[in-house]
Amino acid sequence: GESVGLHLPTLSVQEGDNSIINCAYSNSASDYFIWYKQESGKGPQFIIDIRSNMDKRQGQRVTVLLNKTVKHLSLQIAATQPGDSAVYFCAEKWGAQKLVFGQGTRLTINP
Amino acid sequence: KAGVTQTPRYLIKTRGQQVTLSCSPISGHRSVSWYQQTPGQGLQFLFEYFSETQRNKGNFPGRFSGRQFSNSRSEMNVSTLELGDSALYLCASSHRDTYEQYFGPGTRLTVT
Repeated sequence: GESVGLHLPTLSVQEGDNSIINCAYSNSASDYFIWYKQESGKGPQFIIDIRSNMDKRQGQRVTVLLNKTVKHLSLQIAATQPGDSAVYFCAEKWGAQKLVFGQGTRLTINP
Repeated sequence: KAGVTQTPRYLIKTRGQQVTLSCSPISGHRSVSWYQQTPGQGLQFLFEYFSETQRNKGNFPGRFSGRQFSNSRSEMNVSTLELGDSALYLCASSHRDTYEQYFGPGTRLTVT
């Protein structure tokens, strides 16, 4: 069935360290994946996306890695800052404009 | 460019009532998707509209419906509200040729 799951529901990191958030997806036919960040009281905010013909994509302080063999996605945040505290969701595309979201990982930054 | 706007931001209804939520997409975006977010079920896809046509639908009962107008604005309606319908309802818009969806702040619906 449709399921995009996360290995850890919470993650605490020290300010300045790198964060890695993992995600497992179920649809081997998915060709597009997105990471979203959701802060309290706000809607999800697009961070970075990756298509299935890529293994890695880099943005500003963020990198997404895709391993299609094991259907695994990860988001790496470099030099984590207090403003990175939020819930992070991975999502995979199922059909036209339908996204299936993971449960989310709450990232907490320790000073 | 203005972002996705949703009205109202907060709503309290009682069981059995119906509710209509509104979403205005980013200018130029013709696709509008709706999602329900709850602590237990997370973010779940409701439906997606493009050019006034529903293209995709999630696994929700018929009490949940939507529509899109010629100016791409969209509404969703929930009839015969149940306590379990309490959730944050999110709207997202995207340009026709991309999958990147931009979300609004959501409407917090509480059913008592």
